[in-house]
Amino acid sequence: KAGVTQTPRYLIKTRGQQVTLSCSPISGHRSVSWYQQTPGQGLQFLFEYFSETQRNKGNFPGRFSGRQFSNSRSEMNVSTLELGDSALYLCASSLGQGANGNTIYFGEGSWLTVV
Amino acid sequence: DAKTTQPNSMESNEEEPVHLPCNHSTISGTDYIHWYRQLPSQGPEYVIHGLTSNVNNRMASLAIAEDRKSSTLILHRATLRDAAVYYCILIITGNMLTFGGGTRLMVKP
Repeated sequence: KAGVTQTPRYLIKTRGQQVTLSCSPISGHRSVSWYQQTPGQGLQFLFEYFSETQRNKGNFPGRFSGRQFSNSRSEMNVSTLELGDSALYLCASSLGQGANGNTIYFGEGSWLTVV
Repeated sequence: DAKTTQPNSMESNEEEPVHLPCNHSTISGTDYIHWYRQLPSQGPEYVIHGLTSNVNNRMASLAIAEDRKSSTLILHRATLRDAAVYYCILIITGNMLTFGGGTRLMVKP
């Protein structure tokens, strides 16, 4: 069974540009969440989607957005990139709505460098 | 929000057991205790989770205190591949994980 797949794995963007990252969850999983990991702030929750609806959102500016498609695949977008957006962006998927009792599976992440 | 407290780092010798502690004194009755680990340059990996009773799986054991205010992740025989940052997490809302700093486990050959 394939795991959580994220594309692209590595990318370099220039300040002011925008970027779209893609995530394919494990087959059958309907919940997809996104996290940002930086050396200074650690792992921080961005948002979670379930059945195409955003259910939870972390404390990030509006430049960070996401969506989920009917096949549960998800994308996140960061507009007007800043140097501080350089990070590892992780996608995670889970079977159901509540993680209590569920297992959350992470992808290997997309490494974004903003120059 | 219920939070967890873990030591910043721990060291272990290869082939010896490792006990990674976690304090969660404000845990509520319905919060599961989850453990994840992150190897260098990889996404976090699920290790184990539990509610009240001790749990075992092929990777580790989870010992939960009777009052649930603390728990211990037990690696029965540490290997070099177990060197990672271990996170103790309480799931509060939906599938949102709130990560703390975790414990960096170093394994010496």
